[in-house]
Amino acid sequence: EVQLVQSGAEVKKPGESLKISCKAFGYDFTTSWIGWVRQMPGKGLEWMGIIYPIDSDTRYSPSFEGQVTISADKSITTAYLQWSSLRASDTATYYCARQILYGALYGMDVWGQGTTVTVSS
Amino acid sequence: QAVVTQEPSLTVSPGGTVTLTCASSTGPVTRGNYPNWFQQKPGQAPRALISSTSNTHSWTPARFSGSLLGGKAALTLSGVQPEDEAVYYCLLYFAPTQGVFGGGTKLTVL
Repeated sequence: EVQLVQSGAEVKKPGESLKISCKAFGYDFTTSWIGWVRQMPGKGLEWMGIIYPIDSDTRYSPSFEGQVTISADKSITTAYLQWSSLRASDTATYYCARQILYGALYGMDVWGQGTTVTVSS
Repeated sequence: QAVVTQEPSLTVSPGGTVTLTCASSTGPVTRGNYPNWFQQKPGQAPRALISSTSNTHSWTPARFSGSLLGGKAALTLSGVQPEDEAVYYCLLYFAPTQGVFGGGTKLTVL
């Protein structure tokens, strides 16, 4: 079964750094991109960016370029989303999803359960 | 960056049919935008329903279908069930690797 399992909820203070993870199971991690999606409290979904684990080619939405870093370690089939200095406005639930960029399945098909990040002083 | 627009809310009766739409600020939505549709219920992660305009996943109920309609992407629910009450999001691609979500449509089954 294809699954993406995300790390647990985080509570951090403004200015702190954070790295959350998304581990893939049940498929060849190197053959698909992995994407990250933000959902602020009570709001809609926002496409943040994607990474191709085989060569770490990364594409960001203009809204998130420079604000976060997406990375991956193909040896442990895990993708990451990190912040160097959190702000209160980063409070949200973050989802990872498998991103397919070819054929009839073009899109985000399998999603992680979400990681809630709370940034508060 | 393109803006993707959906109806904020729609109401449908059980057993009825409803169509949700997804428009782009850059012009007509085409198959090249690879429209995707997702369902999200409260407290849950989004679930993929439709990829690449009209392709269903193995878990997508048969009552859900996707199409292009009048320059927009469309999601049609035929024979709506109470459990279809949810927020539905579309996702369009504007380059091979740039996705933009719509604001979501809250579907009420009443």
